[in-house]
Amino acid sequence: DAKTTQPTSMDCAEGRAANLPCNHSTISGNEYVYWYRQIHSQGPQYIIHGLKNNETNEMASLIITEDRKSSTLILPHATLRDTAVYYCIVRATREQFYFGTGTSLTVIP
Amino acid sequence: DTAVSQTPKYLVTQMGNDKSIKCEQNLGHDTMYWYKQDSKKFLKIMFSYNNKELIINETVPNRFSPKSPDKAHLNLHINSLELGDSAVYFCASSQELQTSYGYTFGSGTRLTVV
Repeated sequence: DAKTTQPTSMDCAEGRAANLPCNHSTISGNEYVYWYRQIHSQGPQYIIHGLKNNETNEMASLIITEDRKSSTLILPHATLRDTAVYYCIVRATREQFYFGTGTSLTVIP
Repeated sequence: DTAVSQTPKYLVTQMGNDKSIKCEQNLGHDTMYWYKQDSKKFLKIMFSYNNKELIINETVPNRFSPKSPDKAHLNLHINSLELGDSAVYFCASSQELQTSYGYTFGSGTRLTVV
């Protein structure tokens, strides 16, 4: 059901930017790109979402390519607390969220 | 103030028992959901429910039934529990007409069937 492809795992040095890629080559014009993360044993947490334009909030930035077939989530200054599984999801309004396998990000001290 | 709260956090029970997991949201959302996360960490939607419609994932056994006494509550009742039901169950809510923020999830209920 997942319409996205993400690397299984990534490492990032503490204090550096973490760049998490996501491919969604079959995305439709009405589908948004959402990012969630799940820290061990907790419920998934919303991070950011976007349609066409790049987006930034207090947690992260989302860069969407012009053809919308891929995107990158950027955590500008990764901390140990950012270690989690990150899910990239494409979803149209009123559709359900389907979670894939995500990217397991480990922030290294 | 917890936005989406689930009880209990942990539940250990024997095969064949019937159990319920409760979920409450204080966000004023109109739609609630149940997700199951198995040992391989796959998160799969089980149900979505609002005042108008119950949508059931066809792969969910009919031993699982959602019960919603009101808009702020969606409980999950499970009959004749089996070993394979062991998982973490997450409740979530959303406001359907809004695209912002997507779903707000609870902290999960870890069910262990022995």
